[in-house]
Amino acid sequence: GNSVTQMEGPVTLSEEAFLTINCTYTATGYPSLFWYVQYPGEGLQLLLKATKADDKGSNKGFEATYRKETTSFHLEKGSVQVSDSAVYFCALRRGTDKLIFGTGTRLQVFP
Amino acid sequence: ETGVTQSPTHLIKTRGQQVTLRCSSQSGHNTVSWYQQALGQGPQFIFQYYREEENGRGNFPPRFSGLQFPNYSSELNVNALELDDSALYLCASSLTSASGTGSRETQYFGPGTRLLVL
Repeated sequence: GNSVTQMEGPVTLSEEAFLTINCTYTATGYPSLFWYVQYPGEGLQLLLKATKADDKGSNKGFEATYRKETTSFHLEKGSVQVSDSAVYFCALRRGTDKLIFGTGTRLQVFP
Repeated sequence: ETGVTQSPTHLIKTRGQQVTLRCSSQSGHNTVSWYQQALGQGPQFIFQYYREEENGRGNFPPRFSGLQFPNYSSELNVNALELDDSALYLCASSLTSASGTGSRETQYFGPGTRLLVL
């Protein structure tokens, strides 16, 4: 079946460090891929998305490239800030189907 | 543009009780999806509503039911609450095209309702 696997957290970084959160997926066909972010005590916010192979989603300094050959959608940011501390969820959707989420990766950024 | 809103924000119930959670979709959206997020887990799809009918359901028992109203707002009802129903319940809205073949548009989430069952 369709599934998403994320690297386990927490990921702990100092401010201005480089961030990578790994995400791989299993799906038939060509799913759309998403990264959502959840700040403490809040719901999910869409961070970025990509709908076809080799697309790059970007927002607020975060980037992720849809790699079909490696079935991956890793999230990267060149210089993290304390305000980026949150839980990050990778998700996929095939066509008009439901969103399927990974288990989330907690990011902690220290000054 | 008004975002997705949910009420209440927090709720405490006891086993066996019933609960109703409410969601108002984002302006211009006609489809509502509900997700359950247990502590430390990713959200799990419960069901989706479009044109006031259920349009897809996840692996949840029938005691989870819903409604959608003509203004596209929605309710999630859970009967015979169990301890494991304690979770954050998220509502997401999106736009389904007039052809009604489903929503390919991005889902936007509300802040959630945190339910604690004692």
